[in-house]
Amino acid sequence: QKEVEQNSGPLSVPEGAIASLNCTYSDRGSQSFFWYRQYSGKSPELIMSIYSNGDKEDGRFTAQLNKASQYVSLLIRDSQPSDSATYLCAVHSGGGADGLTFGKGTHLIIQP
Amino acid sequence: DAGVIQSPRHEVTEMGQEVTLRCKPISGHNSLFWYRQTMMRGLELLIYFNNNVPIDDSGMPEDRFSAKMPNASFSTLKIQPSEPRDSAVYFCASSYIVHTEAFFGQGTRLTVV
Repeated sequence: QKEVEQNSGPLSVPEGAIASLNCTYSDRGSQSFFWYRQYSGKSPELIMSIYSNGDKEDGRFTAQLNKASQYVSLLIRDSQPSDSATYLCAVHSGGGADGLTFGKGTHLIIQP
Repeated sequence: DAGVIQSPRHEVTEMGQEVTLRCKPISGHNSLFWYRQTMMRGLELLIYFNNNVPIDDSGMPEDRFSAKMPNASFSTLKIQPSEPRDSAVYFCASSYIVHTEAFFGQGTRLTVV
C-alpha cells in the first residue's frame, strides 16, 4: 500500500511569516509530486508540481523535493489570510499502474 | 477551456437506489481519475483510466461500484444499490498523461438517506 503522510495540523502561522508544510511518501520509485490547495467546500486546486530533487519556486511558493529522504515540502512566503486552507500532498508512483495518491492534508491557518 | 465538468453537483437519494455520476474531462487529456473524499479517509482514488482503458480499479470499494469511459470525453461512476455509507464528495480529475498535473472538477456531493 503506497502511503503519503502529512501532519493534519492545524498549523497556525502569523500573517507575513513563512509557512512550512511537509510530506513523506513510502514508495521509493515515485516520480511526480504535487501540492494542492483546498478551501472548505471546494475542489482541490493545483499549486505546484515538482519532478526532480531540489527547489522549485513559483511566486510566493517554493516546493522542495528530496528523493533520498522521500520527503517533499512546500514553503509559502509572506503568508496571507487568503492562504488559510487545507494543503494536500500528492504523489505518482513510477510504475504507471497506480494513480495519484493523496495525503490527508494539513490545515493551515494564517493569523492576521 | 471549461475545465473538468461534473454533474450533478448535488445528489440526494434513498438507500437502495441507483446513482450515476458523470464527468467530462479536459479536452486532450488522456488520463481520468475518480476520487471519493470524506472527513475520515481523505481523498481516496477509486479508479483511473488511461486512453479510456481502466488501469487500476483496486480502490473501488465493492461490487456495487462500477465505472465506465466509453469515449475520451465522458465517464460515469455508478453505485447500485446505494447505501448511507456511500455519502461523500466524489471528484473527477483529468491529466494530459498519467504522471503529469491533474485538474479536478467541482465534485458531486452525494447524500444517501
